[in-house]
Amino acid sequence: GQQLNQSPQSMFIQEGEDVSMNCTSSSIFNTWLWYKQDPGEGPVLLIALYKAGELTSNGRLTAQFGITRKDSFLNISASIPSDVGIYFCAGPSNSGYALNFGKGTSLLVTP
Amino acid sequence: NAGVMQNPRHLVRRRGQEARLRCSPMKGHSHVYWYRQLPEEGLKFMVYLQKENIIDESGMPKERFSAEFPKEGPSILRIQQVVRGDSAAYFCASSLLGDGNTEAFFGQGTRLTVV
Repeated sequence: GQQLNQSPQSMFIQEGEDVSMNCTSSSIFNTWLWYKQDPGEGPVLLIALYKAGELTSNGRLTAQFGITRKDSFLNISASIPSDVGIYFCAGPSNSGYALNFGKGTSLLVTP
Repeated sequence: NAGVMQNPRHLVRRRGQEARLRCSPMKGHSHVYWYRQLPEEGLKFMVYLQKENIIDESGMPKERFSAEFPKEGPSILRIQQVVRGDSAAYFCASSLLGDGNTEAFFGQGTRLTVV
């Protein structure tokens, strides 16, 4: 099946720093989705990417759909404590119906 | 609240009991997905349903687990004779279209603990 590899597994940074994380796939995707999950909550969609090379921003978040269609990047600028959480990348499964998720990048931000 | 609604938020069951998890999709969405999340893991697809139809249950264990999405009412994920290994967070998602290229919106999940 498809493999989604996220890195880094965890990050521990200071408030104000920029953050970068990425996701690679064993197969080509037509869509990349980035979600954030707060403790005890469900994943919340941050950014959706639909085109190779696409660069999309949502406030301090910027995500890019890699040219090879096998990777994607998420950047967070000027991090704040409420950015704490787990960030997941996701893409369509082989069946075409559901999503495959990476294992997540856990972000901790100290004031 | 027009989001995906799941209940209960927390559920405790003794081994051998049944667990029933409910999910009401976003208004206008007729595609429902169930995912399971173990601690320190990403979400794993279980089943995809449309109204009154199971479309893909390839991620669901063959025994003890079943799902339905009736014409009226919420989608139900049912786990019979629960075991400790069923303890996990179960998330429901809904989408406007039935393909993985469409944004899916998740509920807050039901955290099942089997004691």
